[in-house]
Amino acid sequence: EAGVTQFPSHSVIEKGQTVTLRCDPISGHDNLYWYRRVMGKEIKFLLHFVKESKQDESGMPNNRFLAERTGGTYSTLKVQPAELEDSGVYFCASSQGGTAYFTDTQYFGPGTRLTVL
Amino acid sequence: AQSVTQLGSHVSVSEGALVLLRCNYSSSVPPYLFWYVQYPNQGLQLLLKYTSAATLVKGINGFEAEFKKSETSFHLTKPSAHMSDAAEYFCAAMKTSYDKVIFGPGTSLSVIP
Repeated sequence: EAGVTQFPSHSVIEKGQTVTLRCDPISGHDNLYWYRRVMGKEIKFLLHFVKESKQDESGMPNNRFLAERTGGTYSTLKVQPAELEDSGVYFCASSQGGTAYFTDTQYFGPGTRLTVL
Repeated sequence: AQSVTQLGSHVSVSEGALVLLRCNYSSSVPPYLFWYVQYPNQGLQLLLKYTSAATLVKGINGFEAEFKKSETSFHLTKPSAHMSDAAEYFCAAMKTSYDKVIFGPGTSLSVIP
């Protein structure tokens, strides 16, 4: 079974440009999460989708970030316009959902390393 | 607010020695607890998880962790370090199922031949 995949693995852009990150969750997983780790800091939650709906977007830093999940499958995270402080590694995770009786394990992708110059 | 702390941003051990990575959480109600590992140039991989079924949790690659409510700790151990264990280890917590994961700052483990 394929794991969570993310594209691209690396992206280098200039300040003010737009970048779109993509995440393909494990097939059949209803929950999709975005996290990021900026240099020297902790991995922080950005937002959570349940199928195509945003369940929790409390971690989104500002309105330059836009996340979508088309048809409840893959998700994109767009940063427009990018700023220097957006540099970091963006992780996507997915979990199966659909049960209340055991912890729903989140499986993480390899991350996208974003560098804003 | 719930937080996870890890003592030591860098830990070095000799090959064959005991690995001990420390994690403490703050919460009035024991959360779900995890250890994730990130090998160089790879994503986060789940090592083990605690969900209140047993206080001693065994994970992959010979790692285990013990939940101690009185100490609000969830330390990760491995009896004998291998070179392949060199990686960054993250302790993490969730308040409930389907919640966001709250990560500790990470501990980078080096294994000396």
